[in-house]
Amino acid sequence: DVKVTQSSRYLVKRTGEKVFLECVQDMDHENMFWYRQDPGLGLRLIYFSYDVKMKEKGDIPEGYSVSREKKERFSLILESASTNQTSMYLCASTPGQGAYYEQYFGPGTRLTVT
Amino acid sequence: RKEVEQDPGPFNVPEGATVAFNCTYSNSASQSFFWYRQDCRKEPKLLMSVYSSGNEDGRFTAQLNRASQYISLLIRDSKLSDSATYLCVVNNRNNNDMRFGAGTRLTVKP
Repeated sequence: DVKVTQSSRYLVKRTGEKVFLECVQDMDHENMFWYRQDPGLGLRLIYFSYDVKMKEKGDIPEGYSVSREKKERFSLILESASTNQTSMYLCASTPGQGAYYEQYFGPGTRLTVT
Repeated sequence: RKEVEQDPGPFNVPEGATVAFNCTYSNSASQSFFWYRQDCRKEPKLLMSVYSSGNEDGRFTAQLNRASQYISLLIRDSKLSDSATYLCVVNNRNNNDMRFGAGTRLTVKP
């Protein structure tokens, strides 16, 4: 069974703080993704990575950065948290590139920025 | 206009009912199609892929209509455990271009 874990289920941070969200997958998957999910908007892709030290911007990268130093770990960084970054953050992984792979999601981190 | 549109619901149905959801997508070049299920405060999980010929998995049937650019999900003999949000997902190229609908919420009542 693929397992994707995220470091926190719930997080409360103050405006301006630097925030780290960690994601780890245990199935040697090549590709990892960070999404945010907001009511009425669906999941939106923030960043993704196809390999160690490789990153690509998704649809809404502004205000975020990522790090992939090891294959199994993909971190999302909010450089200076703002209230409009209050959201559910979901990490996902897939075994390869291609249109037909299932995405395996972590349990999500519900971030509140006050 | 959103790339993937779903009726948000909620759909409230009694146990045993048949319920159908539709989803429309705007990119005619879309390559692959999926339904994911998301329980309250949980992560999305793949329910089924959707193939051009249509496919069935137990009580669930998925259909794809490329000409009209919509996919559908039919649930027969609804169970209480089917209560969830169903996400329509369309993949335009590689798996970095997956587009998610906002979801349709289903509540099955006794």
